[in-house]
Amino acid sequence: GAVVSQHPSRVICKSGTSVKIECRSLDFQATTMFWYRQFPKKSLMLMATSNEGSKATYEQGVEKDKFLINHASLTLSTLTVTSAHPEDSSFYICSVDRGIGYTFGSGTRLTVV
Amino acid sequence: ELKVEQNPLFLSMQEGKNYTIYCNYSTTSDRLYWYRQDPGKSLESLFVLLSNGAVKQEGRLMASLDTKARLSTLHITAAVHDLSATYFCAVTLRGTASKLTFGTGTRLQVTL
Repeated sequence: GAVVSQHPSRVICKSGTSVKIECRSLDFQATTMFWYRQFPKKSLMLMATSNEGSKATYEQGVEKDKFLINHASLTLSTLTVTSAHPEDSSFYICSVDRGIGYTFGSGTRLTVV
Repeated sequence: ELKVEQNPLFLSMQEGKNYTIYCNYSTTSDRLYWYRQDPGKSLESLFVLLSNGAVKQEGRLMASLDTKARLSTLHITAAVHDLSATYFCAVTLRGTASKLTFGTGTRLQVTL
């Protein structure tokens, strides 16, 4: 099946700094990727839809200037959390829609201290 | 707005017992998915249900879909400890170009 690689798996950063998370679709050309956030013991919430070669579509309540998404190629989307604060600490997961189902990245555990 | 609810939110069951997790969604959907998540891990795909009356089975898990009732069930037969995990259903809303909306999740704990 499709493989989606997400890095880093775990990151700790200081408050006020920025963190970049990469999501690579290794064997499928993805014009669309999705970014989710999951707080402890909660469900996954869609943050934004990443569109190759164009602007991302953000869900209501998600700050586009804080969560920068770049989808420059058919195999790579990046999520940058800018000026991170402790409340941004969460589990971030990307996914690819292959038409016959979704494949999820392994997730990134972000801790802001 | 599409809402997806699961119940129960938490389920503790003994090995060997049967139980059902329910997933209700609020509006017409294209597809319904079931996923498993182990602590600290990402999602593992279990089933995709495409049409009314669809039933799929894999091992001790069986999923079904009733689109008229907007209800899907995940039935666990003769539970074993290895099934302990959190289970999510998720649906795509017609016309929203494959956006997945997740249910609230059911944390399953199978005790010996």
